[in-house]
Amino acid sequence: GENVEQHPSTLSVQEGDSAVIKCTYSDSASNYFPWYKQELGKRPQLIIDIRSNVGEKKDQRIAVTLNKTAKHFSLHITETQPEDSAVYFCAGKQRYSTLTFGKGTMLLVSP
Amino acid sequence: DGGITQSPKYLFRKEGQNVTLSCEQNLNHDAMYWYRQDPGQGLRLIYYSQIVNDFQKGDIAEGYSVSREKKESFPLTVTSAQKNPTAFYLCASTHLGIGDTEAFFGQGTRLTVV
Repeated sequence: GENVEQHPSTLSVQEGDSAVIKCTYSDSASNYFPWYKQELGKRPQLIIDIRSNVGEKKDQRIAVTLNKTAKHFSLHITETQPEDSAVYFCAGKQRYSTLTFGKGTMLLVSP
Repeated sequence: DGGITQSPKYLFRKEGQNVTLSCEQNLNHDAMYWYRQDPGQGLRLIYYSQIVNDFQKGDIAEGYSVSREKKESFPLTVTSAQKNPTAFYLCASTHLGIGDTEAFFGQGTRLTVV
């Protein structure tokens, strides 16, 4: 089955800096890669996703890049703000299959 | 108000007791999932179901059981065989099909053994 590795496990940045979280996946058949943000004590919520026919997707301060050849994808957050502090999960999925999550990255943005 | 609802929010279990966590969705999603979340462990899949009356074991199914008698409902029972049940449990649902879509999560149930 699919295996998703996520790095780093924790990331501390200063407000205004950029943050990058990287994930690798094992199954070349995976074609859908969402990113979820989970604030403390709350449910994970989708922030951005990318499909395998696209190399990059951007939504305001967040962007995701996908390298199918290398089987890795990354989340980029620019101009970080304290409210970006949360746990971020990447995931990979094949069509008609289940989502496999990475172990999460705790992002701390200091004012 | 469409969504996925878990209950209860907090649950306390005594040693040797079975407890059932509820998960209901009105999104008409085909697939439903149960995840366990421990600090530093991410989201680990317990069970999932892609169709009524059918379900599959995930990575950590031992000590848990599920049923899927209705499309809208996917309850999880934590049995006495689960030796370390204290955790945060999340239910999720998705469409299945040509266009993969996001997973919607319930608000979670925090289970504590007392």
